[in-house]
Amino acid sequence: EIVLTQSPGILSLSPGERASLSCRASQSVASNYLAWYQQKPGQAPSLLIYGVSTRATGVPDRFSGSGSGTEFTLTISRLEPEDFAVYYCQQYGSSPLNSFGQGTKLDIK
Amino acid sequence: QVTLEESGPALVKPTQTLTLTCTFSGFSLSAPGMRVSWVRQPPGKAPEWLARIDWDDDKFYTTSLKTRLTISKDTSKNQVVLKMSNMDPADTATYYCARGGGYFFFDHWGQGALVTVSS
Repeated sequence: EIVLTQSPGILSLSPGERASLSCRASQSVASNYLAWYQQKPGQAPSLLIYGVSTRATGVPDRFSGSGSGTEFTLTISRLEPEDFAVYYCQQYGSSPLNSFGQGTKLDIK
Repeated sequence: QVTLEESGPALVKPTQTLTLTCTFSGFSLSAPGMRVSWVRQPPGKAPEWLARIDWDDDKFYTTSLKTRLTISKDTSKNQVVLKMSNMDPADTATYYCARGGGYFFFDHWGQGALVTVSS
């Protein structure tokens, strides 16, 4: 099973700043099948990015994904108030076991 | 428009069997390539994939819970059912159904059903 480790656990930033969230895999993620989800309190996770860098429908272009192999990054270019949430990475290149990272909480500073 | 909605008991006793139903619309689970998964999330923790059923009735389970899980579908009703036996307080979580799994990301999720296991 592929283990995903996200860092940092908590990231405290101010609106307008740039955020970089890291996701490291214990082995190479096949076909770059790596997704990112955003979760706000009391809500289900919502798909942000799939295939490492493709934004889901309706996702603003301030969100971008990059990386390959075992190292991946979600970048939010300029934080908006609604971006403060928990972010999870997930790999779907190892079927059927689709694993999630433990999450990064993006806090308002 | 794709929607999924979970239903089931909010409270179950230890050792009981949990039955959750996912009712979906906007797609057909008989269409080639379609699949629906169950994912759970304990309070304050990360999501955990549990099980998946595919359009051709293939079924897959997470290794650690394989002996306790059963997934099934009723294509005519647009429903997927998850049964989890021998419930324990450690199984307290929000249970989500989501479209996707396998070599496909989860593109649509239900709102989740909080299940508490307590005597």
